Amino acid sequence: GENVEQHPSTLSVQEGDSAVIKCTYSDSASNYFPWYKQELGKRPQLIIDIRSNVGEKKDQRIAVTLNKTAKHFSLHITETQPEDSAVYFCGDAGGTSYGKLTFGQGTILTVHP
Amino acid sequence: EAGVAQSPRYKIIEKRQSVAFWCNPISGHATLYWYQQILGQGPKLLIQFQNNGVVDDSQLPKDRFSAERLKGVDSTLKIQPAKLEDSAVYLCASSLGPRQETQYFGPGTRLLVL
Repeated sequence: GENVEQHPSTLSVQEGDSAVIKCTYSDSASNYFPWYKQELGKRPQLIIDIRSNVGEKKDQRIAVTLNKTAKHFSLHITETQPEDSAVYFCGDAGGTSYGKLTFGQGTILTVHP
Repeated sequence: EAGVAQSPRYKIIEKRQSVAFWCNPISGHATLYWYQQILGQGPKLLIQFQNNGVVDDSQLPKDRFSAERLKGVDSTLKIQPAKLEDSAVYLCASSLGPRQETQYFGPGTRLLVL
């Protein structure tokens, strides 16, 4: 991947609501899209990923959707909990680079009890 | 399974000094990455190794940064001389191979340049 734009930069929701974060990429050859969660002062951890041959993937309360035509993918968190509060980064890889992973700028998610 | 190890965890130096960071990837992982994460931003890839060879260092400021992975396992990243703008967290990550493989991150080294 070469360039990834992530929105919004901050997101505040009430516990139990849904949260959606969107990323747009530019390299049409990108084929791998991970999402990482980073709690304050801790390392980024993979929460879900999707490859270009799949349009949607779910894991309990977390889902990712991919629209290859529009070159965007989104993270959906349902029934949010306070422990979901963190910074979320999207990434894209593959394409013309040697698997180089490019990260978005991050979204600070705050879930209010 | 042990995770990616990094040391030191914190480092404070003055500008123009040199500093080195060490990373030990997950056993068996052929690909190793060094990222720079400036406060409020996503990690930026500095260099990617496949075993002991460099496959991408396009964003490494080569006039001051260097990295090596001589035996294809541990890696060191060096900055000499450091500048104020080098203040950041330096994250090491590893994966089984390149291309669409999950990257596992270490705890990072937080560098402050005064």
